[in-house]
Amino acid sequence: DAMVIQNPRYQVTQFGKPVTLSCSQTLNHNVMYWYQQKSSQAPKLLFHYYDKDFNNEADTPDNFQSRRPNTSFCFLDIRSPGLGDAAMYLCATSRGTTYEQYFGPGTRLTVT
Amino acid sequence: QKEVEQDPGPLSVPEGAIVSLNCTYSNSAFQYFMWYRQYSRKGPELLMYTYSSGNKEDGRFTAQVDKSSKYISLFIRDSQPSDSATYLCAMSGNQFYFGTGTSLTVIP
Repeated sequence: DAMVIQNPRYQVTQFGKPVTLSCSQTLNHNVMYWYQQKSSQAPKLLFHYYDKDFNNEADTPDNFQSRRPNTSFCFLDIRSPGLGDAAMYLCATSRGTTYEQYFGPGTRLTVT
Repeated sequence: QKEVEQDPGPLSVPEGAIVSLNCTYSNSAFQYFMWYRQYSRKGPELLMYTYSSGNKEDGRFTAQVDKSSKYISLFIRDSQPSDSATYLCAMSGNQFYFGTGTSLTVIP
């Protein structure tokens, strides 16, 4: 089945220690998104790639970076995680920015 | 004014009830309307997807879009305990926007 895969499902990191979350997709979609979701809140868009074009949301902290080496993979790098970065990180894909998005299962990040 | 408004609930109903979930929006450019279901500690799952105004039915779920009123609804018939989740509306024109989600509990 075509799908969006996120690894790891659970990640524990120390305050200030860089961490990378990964996402892969078999849907061959042009657009890949990273969202941050905290408890009882809607997903908050961090950035997205349309093909190789990177689009950063204005309020995304510089601490968050992303890489998309090819169509199938996208990475979220958190350079110096703070306690406030503990959240669920969701990867999503779509054919284009106006179309429905398909989500992965998420990576739950804990910062100690 | 937020682009998309959704009552966060929580909403609690007995098993078998008809559930109505709603969102309003302000941007008349929105053309695509979606409903996602999110179980606790899981990613959102696309439930329904509609383009422009009208109704769409899929099993126990019906999505309605009224563009003249800028109002969308999701109806769940014969609700089941397994429907207990957070339901997020989403819509897009040039950009994609989520509602804040409504937490639903169906009591056996």
